[in-house]
Amino acid sequence: GEDVEQSLFLSVREGDSSVINCTYTDSSSTYLYWYKQEPGAGLQLLTYIFSNMDMKQDQRLTVLLNKKDKHLSLRIADTQTGDSAIYFCAESGLYGRGGATNKLIFGTGTLLAVQP
Amino acid sequence: DAGVTQSPTHLIKTRGQQVTLRCSPKSGHDTVSWYQQALGQGPQFIFQYYEEEERQRGNFPDRFSGHQFPNYSSELNVNALLLGDSALYLCASSLRQVQETQYFGPGTRLLVL
Repeated sequence: GEDVEQSLFLSVREGDSSVINCTYTDSSSTYLYWYKQEPGAGLQLLTYIFSNMDMKQDQRLTVLLNKKDKHLSLRIADTQTGDSAIYFCAESGLYGRGGATNKLIFGTGTLLAVQP
Repeated sequence: DAGVTQSPTHLIKTRGQQVTLRCSPKSGHDTVSWYQQALGQGPQFIFQYYEEEERQRGNFPDRFSGHQFPNYSSELNVNALLLGDSALYLCASSLRQVQETQYFGPGTRLLVL
């Protein structure tokens, strides 16, 4: 089945690195994503990684993928108070008639609190 | 370049009523997906529309229906509202040929009393 799990809460001090972890069950996942949601807002796509990669870096963000263990992590370097938000891990594959769609399966989100 | 837009931003309905939510995809996108996000949860996939047809459906009852128009915009309709339908409804758009990225709108917050 399809399931994505995340820890609920992470607290860090400003300037430290944050690492948010996620595990997923669907071995046919094609892409894995990190979305950010601020209070009362929609979802902002932060970054994503193709399933045949093991690392992707984008400015302060580093994504690590361990496909064998079905484990995904997001590292935020030099965490700022503006990074405080809920972070969602999501996976997608090809589903539906003839593998025609890419619905996203989300975790329950990790609340990142950055202390000044 | 306009992103994904949704209307209305907030809505209050009573049990048994019907509601229609609207979504305009990001410019150049042709595929629209709808998600329901209950309080404290991650978004759950409702369905996806491409070429004015529902392509796949998540685990939602037939009370949830949708439509896509020739200009790629979409509507989500929910009939016979239940208290449990209270949630943030998110629309996401993508380009069929570039399916790895979906961009979300700000959502419509529905409260059912």
